[in-house]
Amino acid sequence: DVKVTQSSRYLVKRTGEKVFLECVQDMDHENMFWYRQDPGLGLRLIYFSYDVKMKEKGDIPEGYSVSREKKERFSLILESASTNQTSMYLCASSLSLGPTNTGELFFGEGSRLTVL
Amino acid sequence: KNEVEQSPQNLTAQEGEFITINCSYSVGISALHWLQQHPGGGIVSLFMLSSGKKKHGRLIATINIQEKHSSLHITASHPRDSAVYICAVINRGSNYKLTFGKGTLLTVNP
Repeated sequence: DVKVTQSSRYLVKRTGEKVFLECVQDMDHENMFWYRQDPGLGLRLIYFSYDVKMKEKGDIPEGYSVSREKKERFSLILESASTNQTSMYLCASSLSLGPTNTGELFFGEGSRLTVL
Repeated sequence: KNEVEQSPQNLTAQEGEFITINCSYSVGISALHWLQQHPGGGIVSLFMLSSGKKKHGRLIATINIQEKHSSLHITASHPRDSAVYICAVINRGSNYKLTFGKGTLLTVNP
């Protein structure tokens, strides 16, 4: 079975703390994504990576950074957590859409972060 | 106006009913996903389609590229189908940028 694993299901942090959210996939996918999901707003893309050490900003990158040192691992970093970053964070991976690839998307279980 | 609109936002059905969830989009796309999210759970991809129709068990997804519209149908609905169903499109020219609808909350009562 294909798998995307997020390191923590639930985290509680204090304002100003540095937060690391880790995501690992075992499918050799090029593309990895970090989304946040908030009620009434749906899923919004924070950052994505299409290869090792490559990253691009999504729609809401402010306050976040990412790291992709290895193909299977994509980390989301909150340098100084703030209360408005309380949210559900979802990692996903996919192969690039192409003639031989379906581009199917695989999600992790999500990490619910509360910043106090 | 959102680029991806889903309707209805909320849907309550009785077990056994036929259900339809709609998705309209305004951008050019290369493909469209239907996703399912159970309460407190992760998201599962149900279908990815770029034309025509796909069927998996009691689930059927259709897409009309000319009309920029897709539907997800559930036949013989069951309480375990209760979930949020999300439509997401892959923008044309990109093989990774997705635009999401806000989801449809389906509740199937026994």
